[in-house]
Amino acid sequence: GAVVSQHPSRVICKSGTSVKIECRSLDFQATTMFWYRQFPKQSLMLMATSNEGSKATYEQGVEKDKFLINHASLTLSTLTVTSAHPEDSSFYICSARIITGGTDTQYFGPGTRLTVL
Amino acid sequence: KQEVTQIPAALSVPEGENLVLNCSFTDSAIYNLQWFRQDPGKGLTSLLLIQSSQREQTSGRLNASLDKSSGRSTLYIAASQPGDSATYLCATFGNQFYFGTGTSLTVIP
Repeated sequence: GAVVSQHPSRVICKSGTSVKIECRSLDFQATTMFWYRQFPKQSLMLMATSNEGSKATYEQGVEKDKFLINHASLTLSTLTVTSAHPEDSSFYICSARIITGGTDTQYFGPGTRLTVL
Repeated sequence: KQEVTQIPAALSVPEGENLVLNCSFTDSAIYNLQWFRQDPGKGLTSLLLIQSSQREQTSGRLNASLDKSSGRSTLYIAASQPGDSATYLCATFGNQFYFGTGTSLTVIP
C-alpha cells in the first residue's frame, strides 16, 4: 500500500524556537495533504488542509501565522510550528490523499511527537 | 459539523472473547468510513475502510459494518488476543476526516 513518512518522529525544543515537520508521500503523488493534532487521550483534530501550489486552508481556531504550512511539491508538505510554547506540545500527524479509480483514500503518516520545554 | 461518537470509551475483556465496538455519526453524507488502530504514542494503522456504497468489510478476525441511514458502524473482533490491545478509532470522510474519541481496548491474557 501507499506509504507516508514523517520526519522527525520525535522532537524536543525550547520554548520560543521554531520546529519544522515534514510529511512525504513516498510512492504516490498527493495533491492534498492534511495536518492533524492529537492531545493526550483525545482524538485527532484536523488543523489544516494543504493543497499543492496554493495556500493552506486552516480550521477554525488554528492560527495560520503560528502553524505555517508549505506544500511545495506533490510529495512533500511541511508544517512549521513558529515560536513554540509548551501548550503546542502534541502529537502531529499528516495524511496524504489519493483519488484513483473512483476511490478516495487517505494514508496517514506515523506521527511526530513534539515536546516544548 | 459531523460528530463522531464511540462507545464504550474503554473496554476490558478476557482473551478469546468476541467483542463489538460501536461508532455513530450525525451526518450520513460521507464518502467512506474507516477504522484505525492506534498503539500508545504511535500513529494510525488502517484496519478497514468501508466505502459509502458498501455495507461491510472483513479482514481476518475483523469485520466492520456500515449503516449510513442510521449513522452507525460497528467493528467486530473475533477471538480477541492480548495483541489486540490498543485504541480503536473510527473516522468518517466526507470533505475531511472526522474522528471519534476512540475505544481503548485491553485484552487480558
